[in-house]
Amino acid sequence: EAQVTQNPRYLITVTGKKLTVTCSQNMNHEYMSWYRQDPGLGLRQIYYSMNVEVTDKGDVPEGYKVSRKEKRNFPLILESPSPNQTSLYFCASSQRTDTQYFGPGTRLTVL
Amino acid sequence: GENVEQHPSTLSVQEGDSAVIKCTYSDSASNYFPWYKQELGKRPQLIIDIRSNVGEKKDQRIAVTLNKTAKHFSLHITETQPEDSAVYFCAASMRTGGFKTIFGAGTRLFVKA
Repeated sequence: EAQVTQNPRYLITVTGKKLTVTCSQNMNHEYMSWYRQDPGLGLRQIYYSMNVEVTDKGDVPEGYKVSRKEKRNFPLILESPSPNQTSLYFCASSQRTDTQYFGPGTRLTVL
Repeated sequence: GENVEQHPSTLSVQEGDSAVIKCTYSDSASNYFPWYKQELGKRPQLIIDIRSNVGEKKDQRIAVTLNKTAKHFSLHITETQPEDSAVYFCAASMRTGGFKTIFGAGTRLFVKA
């Protein structure tokens, strides 16, 4: 089954404790993105990747890192999380720059 | 910076009526305009999209129109049904030279039975 998976689905952590949210797709898609969703703000792109070892900043990259060492995986890293990074995070993938397939989301709370 | 404005933020219609959601974008280099539907607690899913070389596209009860000169595009849902109740997001992105995608803030659609 074609899908995008994210782990964990829910995470509560404390300020400053490094964390990684994993994203994996099995559709051999070139393009992958991370978004955060906050009430009244829609989805905002954090980072995107157009292929292995090719990443670029989206609209709100501050405080986040990504890597794309393999085509199927695109982890999101928060080196020192802060409360303003409490949000719902979605990973998405697509073949070229059209239809994006979203993962199930990761709800992150930073205390 | 680039932005996408979406209106209205909330829309309530009677079952069977039409619903229209409008978006405007700022980056004239945008050339791909998808619409996503997000049901409560679920992930966004593409319902229709339009590319900049097309003015209108229709898929059953859903249609999208694009006016590149005005940088404006709209979603039209006809014969609305209760299962159309959800949050709808428009987006604008460049399909060449990058993958930056800007989403609108969303429209919460209520369809009353």
